[in-house]
Amino acid sequence: GENVEQHPSTLSVQEGDSAVIKCTYSDSASNYFPWYKQELGKRPQLIIDIRSNVGEKKDQRIAVTLNKTAKHFSLHITETQPEDSAVYFCAASLYNFGNEKLTFGTGTRLTIIP
Amino acid sequence: GAVVSQHPSWVICKSGTSVKIECRSLDFQATTMFWYRQFPKQSLMLMATSNEGSKATYEQGVEKDKFLINHASLTLSTLTVTSAHPEDSSFYICSATPTWTGGYNEQFFGPGTRLTVL
Repeated sequence: GENVEQHPSTLSVQEGDSAVIKCTYSDSASNYFPWYKQELGKRPQLIIDIRSNVGEKKDQRIAVTLNKTAKHFSLHITETQPEDSAVYFCAASLYNFGNEKLTFGTGTRLTIIP
Repeated sequence: GAVVSQHPSWVICKSGTSVKIECRSLDFQATTMFWYRQFPKQSLMLMATSNEGSKATYEQGVEKDKFLINHASLTLSTLTVTSAHPEDSSFYICSATPTWTGGYNEQFFGPGTRLTVL
């Protein structure tokens, strides 16, 4: 089955600086890669996703890049703000006609230092 | 739109008792629902996939006789933790995908249920 590794496990960044979180996946057939933000005791929230036919996607301060050859994808957050502090999870999935299972990475605890 | 609820939000029970957790899609029909377990400071681990009207598919290592899943309607799936023990204490989260209309189906997550077994 799919295996997703995520680094770093913790990340502290000065407010206003950029944060980068990296993930690698094992199944070359995976074709959908979402990123989730989870605050303590809350549900995961989808913040951005990318499909395998795209190399990069951006949404305001958040961007994701995908390297299919190397089987890794990264989350980039620019101009970080205190409210960006949370745990971030990457995930990988294989399109399966509505039955897509997500395999999550191990998570990154991001702390924004004011 | 695309709201998923869970009930209860938290539950405390005695060891050996059973606990039922409900997952509802409030404004859409969900052919497929997923159940995850998340231990403190860990990731979400998929326990099982449930499809309306059929038996759930359990991930390797998840005891189907202990974690009973029923997906009797297009808006409701239930997870029953039978004979719960302290090691079952965890955050249980469900997600639901709308009835497939083509393309990738985003999963919408419920708010989670925190189970504490004494």
